[in-house]
Amino acid sequence: EDKVVQSPLSLVVHEGDTVTLNCSYEVTNFRSLLWYKQEKKAPTFLFMLTSSGIEKKSGRLSSILDKKELFSILNITATQTGDSAIYLCAVEASGNTGKLIFGQGTTLQVKP
Amino acid sequence: SQTIHQWPATLVQPVGSPLSLECTVEGTSNPNLYWYRQAAGRGLQLLFYSVGIGQISSEVPQNLSASRPQDRQFILSSKKLLLSDSGFYLCAWTSWTGDEKLFFGSGTQLSVL
Repeated sequence: EDKVVQSPLSLVVHEGDTVTLNCSYEVTNFRSLLWYKQEKKAPTFLFMLTSSGIEKKSGRLSSILDKKELFSILNITATQTGDSAIYLCAVEASGNTGKLIFGQGTTLQVKP
Repeated sequence: SQTIHQWPATLVQPVGSPLSLECTVEGTSNPNLYWYRQAAGRGLQLLFYSVGIGQISSEVPQNLSASRPQDRQFILSSKKLLLSDSGFYLCAWTSWTGDEKLFFGSGTQLSVL
């Protein structure tokens, strides 16, 4: 059975800290891994990763994929209170369904 | 451009009452459509997906059903709600181009009392 596991499930840090969120997966016919940020309603897209070792970066956020060890990490440097959210990892398998399998999410709280 | 509409935003229903949540997509044709549910503070669980009119695949056995009566319309239903049906429901569609695979509606917060 395909599955995605995120850790930690929750995290509390102070502004300025750096955090690393983890996502491991087991999926048949892997196609891509995606990270989303969810604040109050619908998740918003952060990154899509398909190749090992190639870092994707956007401002203070970055992510990398290891297809040999079947995991990805999302790094946030110099955290701000606005980074407080649930961070979701999802994996897409090959096929025409386009469905994503999501992990449980990591709830990040950044304190001032 | 493509947009996705989902309603209502909030719903409070008694146990045993019926449910109908609707989702429509504009600006694209023959999209793959999805219903996800999220328990408080948790990840998204895929409930149903559809690759075309009348084609519904169920991912988990449950008290809910889905229908796709038109190309860009996806409906989530229940004949009798259970307490365990409470949660945040998200409709989504897939873009086959670009990195952003899924586009979500704004969600429905359902409370079954």
